[in-house]
Amino acid sequence: ETGVTQSPTHLIKTRGQQVTLRCSSQSGHNTVSWYQQALGQGPQFIFQYYREEENGRGNFPPRFSGLQFPNYSSELNVNALELDDSALYLCASSLVPGGGYTFGSGTRLTVV
Amino acid sequence: AQSVSQHNHHVILSEAASLELGCNYSYGGTVNLFWYVQYPGQHLQLLLKYFSGDPLVKGIKGFEAEFIKSKFSFNLRKPSVQWSDTAEYFCAVNYHPSAGTYKYIFGTGTRLKVLA
Repeated sequence: ETGVTQSPTHLIKTRGQQVTLRCSSQSGHNTVSWYQQALGQGPQFIFQYYREEENGRGNFPPRFSGLQFPNYSSELNVNALELDDSALYLCASSLVPGGGYTFGSGTRLTVV
Repeated sequence: AQSVSQHNHHVILSEAASLELGCNYSYGGTVNLFWYVQYPGQHLQLLLKYFSGDPLVKGIKGFEAEFIKSKFSFNLRKPSVQWSDTAEYFCAVNYHPSAGTYKYIFGTGTRLKVLA
């Protein structure tokens, strides 16, 4: 079992910049979702991809976008970074949509 | 907007005490329910899940949860906690706002500290 791996682990960006976070899903998992977790809060659902198509989205603006690739890796892209985007970003994969997730350790993004 | 409420933000128990963590959700349709645990320094792990059938589900490490549809609740229980159960516990709900689409909501978490 390979688990879910995310890169980078930490990142500092300047307000207005763009960032790409990467995730490698657990082997065999064709569903991936991304979450934003602020300090002291639960994870907030950004979106979910199943077989390379988005099939669920939380209350995040369009500047949060994603991609899922045939090898089940995925990306989270955030444009026009704002200070409030500073958070831990979690990737999670599942065998099927709606199933229980295996989480990665996250990418800590700091926007200055 | 739909929500998940975890009423206990911090819980402190002595070893061997019984545990019950509350979770209530607002969505009125069909849901899948989850409890996740995050041990200090580790990532979120699935503790147990409910999709359908027997409303009492058993998970890892002696945890169980009961789904009460009429109360929109999915409370987590353990008869006797151990020091190693010290962690943060998150309740989560998955539902379909429309056919083929998914949404997930997590509660704000409950920090459990077990005293040896």
